[in-house]
Amino acid sequence: QVQLVQSGAEVKKPGSSVKVSCTASGDTFNNFAISWVRRAPGQGLEWMGEFIPMLGTTKYAQKFQGRVTFIADDATSTAFMVLISLRSDDTAVYYCARGLRFFDIWGQGTMVTVSS
Amino acid sequence: EIVLTQSPATLSLSPGDRATLSCGASQSVSSGNLAWYQQKPGLAPRLLIYDASSRATGVPDRFSGSGSGTDFTLTISRLEPEDFAVYYCQQYGSSPPLTFGGGTKVEI
Repeated sequence: QVQLVQSGAEVKKPGSSVKVSCTASGDTFNNFAISWVRRAPGQGLEWMGEFIPMLGTTKYAQKFQGRVTFIADDATSTAFMVLISLRSDDTAVYYCARGLRFFDIWGQGTMVTVSS
Repeated sequence: EIVLTQSPATLSLSPGDRATLSCGASQSVSSGNLAWYQQKPGLAPRLLIYDASSRATGVPDRFSGSGSGTDFTLTISRLEPEDFAVYYCQQYGSSPPLTFGGGTKVEI
């Protein structure tokens, strides 16, 4: 049974960056793709992009182009989402999820609060 | 970008009722590439339906999906207390970006 476990909550200042981790267990990390989705308070779900560890390929939503990077550490089966130049409207719960088209397994979510 | 509009925003029902949730797309969603998720407060979304009508593993058969083109429906045949949650549709027929609807809250 694949599980995705994310890092803990973060509080960041505007203009700084955040790095959220997502560690896979129960399956070989390179056997699947990871997508990132966020949910801002009072808002719906928003797709940020996808990462295929085996190929090292990424695809980002245009809204986040230039501010987000997806990377991975194969040795620990951990994917990372790095978001820079944080703004108050980046305050959200960030999820990693398995899949490229639809998402059948999700991490528990990481709350990122951006506040001065 | 395909915009998904869910209706109604809120559905007030009782246990045992039938729930019908709608998801409309701004353009045709190719090959019925649409999924439905359930999200409860403080938890991650849970995949219910993919490819418009296929139930995900472990999803009770009271949940069913239908539709094609621009109009899709999630039906919960008899609401159980644990079904009160927010439901989202998501299209993956035209990517990037994958897009989600704004959600329908099913409340008591």
